[in-house]
Amino acid sequence: GAVVSQHPSRVICKSGTSVKIECRSLDFQATTMFWYRQFPKQSLMLMATSNEGSKATYEQGVEKDKFLINHASLTLSTLTVTSAHPEDSSFYICSASGGRDDEQFFGPGTRLTVL
Amino acid sequence: AQTVTQSQPEMSVQEAETVTLSCTYDTSESDYYLFWYKQPPSRQMILVIRQEAYKQQNATENRFSVNFQKAAKSFSLKISDSQLGDAAMYFCAYRKGYRGTASKLTFGTGTRLQVTL
Repeated sequence: GAVVSQHPSRVICKSGTSVKIECRSLDFQATTMFWYRQFPKQSLMLMATSNEGSKATYEQGVEKDKFLINHASLTLSTLTVTSAHPEDSSFYICSASGGRDDEQFFGPGTRLTVL
Repeated sequence: AQTVTQSQPEMSVQEAETVTLSCTYDTSESDYYLFWYKQPPSRQMILVIRQEAYKQQNATENRFSVNFQKAAKSFSLKISDSQLGDAAMYFCAYRKGYRGTASKLTFGTGTRLQVTL
């Protein structure tokens, strides 16, 4: 099956700093990537959808200037949390599509802790 | 807007027994897909089974099968011969049919399944 990686798997940062999370499709070209956030014991909430070469489409209530998404190539999308605060601490998951049957393949997630 | 509802926050099943997880959804679309995903403690999302709305036959994958009732907008997951490794969070999800670009998934709130000896 298709493989999606995320880096880093976990990150701890100080309040006010920016953190970049990478999402890579390793064996297929991902025309679309999705970014989700999952708080403890809750469901996945879609933050934004990014198509390669286009600006990301953000869900209602998600701050575009705070969560910067770049999808510059067919195998890489990045999520940058700018000026992170403790309330941004969460589990961030990406998924990628572009493989067979328009299936979405999920990365292993990144745990962000903001002190 | 599409919504997905899972009314069972937690379920428990004995090893080797059968358990059914419930899911209902709401949509005005005619072309869509339904999924069950498993999220074990590792947090990696794993696709368990998918159902295309246009197919009347219920999908099956080994010990996993669904009961898809399109008119009732119901999509339950049956796990037969439950194993300890089935213990996880299970999410029901909905996606519109492909329209040139990939469509987003809408997830339910999840059901935590415990498997006991």
